[in-house]
Amino acid sequence: SYVLTQPPSVSEAPGQTARITCEGINIGSKSVHWYQQKPGQAPVLVIYYDSDRPSGIPERFSGSNSGNTATLTISRVEAGDEADYYCQVWDTSSDHQVFGGGTKLAVL
Amino acid sequence: DVQLLESGGGLVQPGGSLRLSCAASGFTFTNYAMSWVRQVPGKGLEWVSAISGSGVTTYYADSVRGRFTISRDSSKNTLYLQMNSLRGDDTAVYYCAKGTGTNPHYGMDVWGQGTTVTVSS
Repeated sequence: SYVLTQPPSVSEAPGQTARITCEGINIGSKSVHWYQQKPGQAPVLVIYYDSDRPSGIPERFSGSNSGNTATLTISRVEAGDEADYYCQVWDTSSDHQVFGGGTKLAVL
Repeated sequence: DVQLLESGGGLVQPGGSLRLSCAASGFTFTNYAMSWVRQVPGKGLEWVSAISGSGVTTYYADSVRGRFTISRDSSKNTLYLQMNSLRGDDTAVYYCAKGTGTNPHYGMDVWGQGTTVTVSS
């Protein structure tokens, strides 16, 4: 089955740029979606189709996808961005949705 | 306003059954795929099942195939998850989520607040 690998944690100072990676074999050929989940809350879609932003998501959130790595980039990181972030793809070979293990973003 | 409201969670003994419901409002229900995703507290998200907007096509994670059944009722704008032969490792918060298209190949843009299922004797 298809596997997505994320770093367990990423930390960044306020105002800096945080990058969260999601690795998978030839992930560049798939559409990647990213979710933000704060403690005690349901996930929120922050990026879909690799780089599109749903309405209401700040422009500070952006995404890219190429080769074996997809990346969620959060510019000018704020304390309110502290959360777990998950990448997700649809694996056509198994007809399964697949989530990465999640990355905890700490804003120092 | 687009909303999803799950219900039906609770405590059930191993081997028992439970049916989760997810009432949808604020969008044309049949135009979108729906999914169930679960999360053990403190752990990551795990996809459970999905169903196409028409309800014709269903998809299951290997861990629940043969035990869980996803369905939808367009007359009631409600998504269901029938869970049979429950095991301890099915204990989790179960979220329903709305897809961004008629098939579940894409992202999920609206999530419910979740309902807790606890399987224990």
